[in-house]
Amino acid sequence: NAGVTQTPKFRVLKTGQSMTLLCAQDMNHEYMYWYRQDPGMGLRLIHYSVGEGTTAKGEVPDGYNVSRLKKQNFLLGLESAAPSQTSVYFCASSYAQGRNIQYFGAGTRLSVL
Amino acid sequence: EDQVTQSPEALRLQEGESSSLNCSYTVSGLRGLFWYRQDPGKGPEFLFTLYSAGEEKEKERLKATLTKKESFLHITAPKPEDSATYLCAVQGPGNTDKLIFGTGTRLQVFP
Repeated sequence: NAGVTQTPKFRVLKTGQSMTLLCAQDMNHEYMYWYRQDPGMGLRLIHYSVGEGTTAKGEVPDGYNVSRLKKQNFLLGLESAAPSQTSVYFCASSYAQGRNIQYFGAGTRLSVL
Repeated sequence: EDQVTQSPEALRLQEGESSSLNCSYTVSGLRGLFWYRQDPGKGPEFLFTLYSAGEEKEKERLKATLTKKESFLHITAPKPEDSATYLCAVQGPGNTDKLIFGTGTRLQVFP
């Protein structure tokens, strides 16, 4: 039982390049989330999904797109990376609506040069 | 606007020296307050959830308490392995499990 798995763990991009971050969970959770963590800013929600085929914007969605084609996977895309997107990205998942605990992956450290 | 403020930003303790971390919050309709531990280079790890004022939860050397405006994470006789960043988050009303996080308290415990 791996929990929440993120790939890749590290990535360096040049400005304007695109990439996709993959999050996979094996806990049969309905809800999935993408956060970014920056020094002094705390974790901020980018996008989230309340079920397969659904996505919604969080606090800082600009410059990112997401897809949830399968219940266990949540993809975060950067179409044209910018230095401001240099950050550590975390994926999390939780059971359906309620007072539910979010379980986090180990993170992806992204640098945009 | 929903907000979470943690203090202090950083805390250095001698092994065995007890202390408390503070999390003050402003949220309309608190559904839950969460404490996470984060080690360097890793994702947040769940510690506690508190749902109503007066509630307390314990785990080894850690005890979390909740009032209507703030939560405390008490660390009794800490050990070096308790060194980490402790994150507080609140869950407001609505039909999702979205969390609003504070910026964390970085705890260092020296032998």
